Amino acid sequence: AQSVTQLGSHVSVSEGALVLLRCNYSSSVPPYLFWYVQYPNQGLQLLLKYTSAATLVKGINGFEAEFKKSETSFHLTKPSAHMSDAAEYFCAVTPAGGTSYGKLTFGQGTILTVHP
Amino acid sequence: EAGVTQFPSHSVIEKGQTVTLRCDPISGHDNLYWYRRVMGKEIKFLLHFVKESKQDESGMPNNRFLAERTGGTYSTLKVQPAELEDSGVYFCASSQDPGQVASPLHFGNGTRLTVT
Repeated sequence: AQSVTQLGSHVSVSEGALVLLRCNYSSSVPPYLFWYVQYPNQGLQLLLKYTSAATLVKGINGFEAEFKKSETSFHLTKPSAHMSDAAEYFCAVTPAGGTSYGKLTFGQGTILTVHP
Repeated sequence: EAGVTQFPSHSVIEKGQTVTLRCDPISGHDNLYWYRRVMGKEIKFLLHFVKESKQDESGMPNNRFLAERTGGTYSTLKVQPAELEDSGVYFCASSQDPGQVASPLHFGNGTRLTVT
């Protein structure tokens, strides 16, 4: 069984400040982990994914995430927030070595607000 | 390439009525998924088609929900009769090869269903 917990349903930062969105997972088998972003009135878009290669993963739009097995975490960061980063962010997990990486277990989402 | 298309974008129906949601995947994508997000909850997997066959329907909530994908192209998700708890956003996603983690899910913009 797997589960994902995103700490903080809402995060607010100032433009130019560090963005940190937290994700912890629980999985009985080694997982693959994903971050998706949903901009208003759009579908989910893949930001980045961890697939057991490098533990520090770089994604689009300057985001990156670090897989920490000891902490069962996969937090998303961006050094400097931009107004266009305002969106809802979802962490998701799927078992590594599975037959369908399209079957994801999602966290509850974190809404990021960026203030000027 | 055209993305995953869903319609309608919004649907408001009364309890007991029937609603049919449609999803057109990206051309050439054999794999099609339905997900649902009930208000305030996480996005949950409903089912997975490979071409016209249901590969995994473990997430379907009950027998009021019927998904079809005749001919392996577009898919429909029918809710009959609709109940209040069916309200939420229904997402469709497609991918080329779910057995390859490098093959990402492409999501549609979702259909927001409101049952009154």
